[in-house]
Amino acid sequence: DTEVTQTPKHLVMGMTNKKSLKCEQHMGHRAMYWYKQKAKKPPELMFVYSYEKLSINESVPSRFSPECPNSSLLNLHLHALQPEDSALYLCASSQVSSGGVGTQYFGPGTRLTVL
Amino acid sequence: AQSVTQPDIHITVSEGASLELRCNYSYGATPYLFWYVQSPGQGLQLLLKYFSGDTLVQGIKGFEAEFKRSQSSFNLRKPSVHWSDAAEYFCAVGARNAGNMLTFGGGTRLMVKP
Repeated sequence: DTEVTQTPKHLVMGMTNKKSLKCEQHMGHRAMYWYKQKAKKPPELMFVYSYEKLSINESVPSRFSPECPNSSLLNLHLHALQPEDSALYLCASSQVSSGGVGTQYFGPGTRLTVL
Repeated sequence: AQSVTQPDIHITVSEGASLELRCNYSYGATPYLFWYVQSPGQGLQLLLKYFSGDTLVQGIKGFEAEFKRSQSSFNLRKPSVHWSDAAEYFCAVGARNAGNMLTFGGGTRLMVKP
């Protein structure tokens, strides 16, 4: 089973709202990722968690706040977003490969629209 | 730092025709190479990967890719394209000791003519 699930599938929010995106995997992977993808572009890495600790933050604005409550779950808390934050948000997971590269498996994404 | 180039932004092929999508990478050591496919509004699905060993890699949906170190390439091929193969294709490279990060190419949009 190589399934990563994401909820919700679609989200529309105003610039003053607070919302959260959720990602879950049951593959025993200990690395989890958030990506942002704009139309006709490749995914851009936002955050990486390794063993439930934030290991990479790609200079993402503080209005995006990641959380990894356990090894299966990854959240992305959203607050005071801007219209330019509208995008497809993808979650991925992989094994942590010491000295190598784990194969990343992606979820279906959350389509976020900020009004 | 590693980089990936997919020279073709768009490719159109007829259904039943063969397909080759190009991917060139830049990396000083042996790379970890991936091909993903993305249908509109969907997540990325792993087609195949190369880590080491046999340079011709078989993937899902009838796709294969060949790693050519001398050309720094990892081109994706399919002998006979189906209309359902229309999608965006991304090549990606991972580097050792880079925190499991991937570098993606810009993508190639495949359109299939009936």
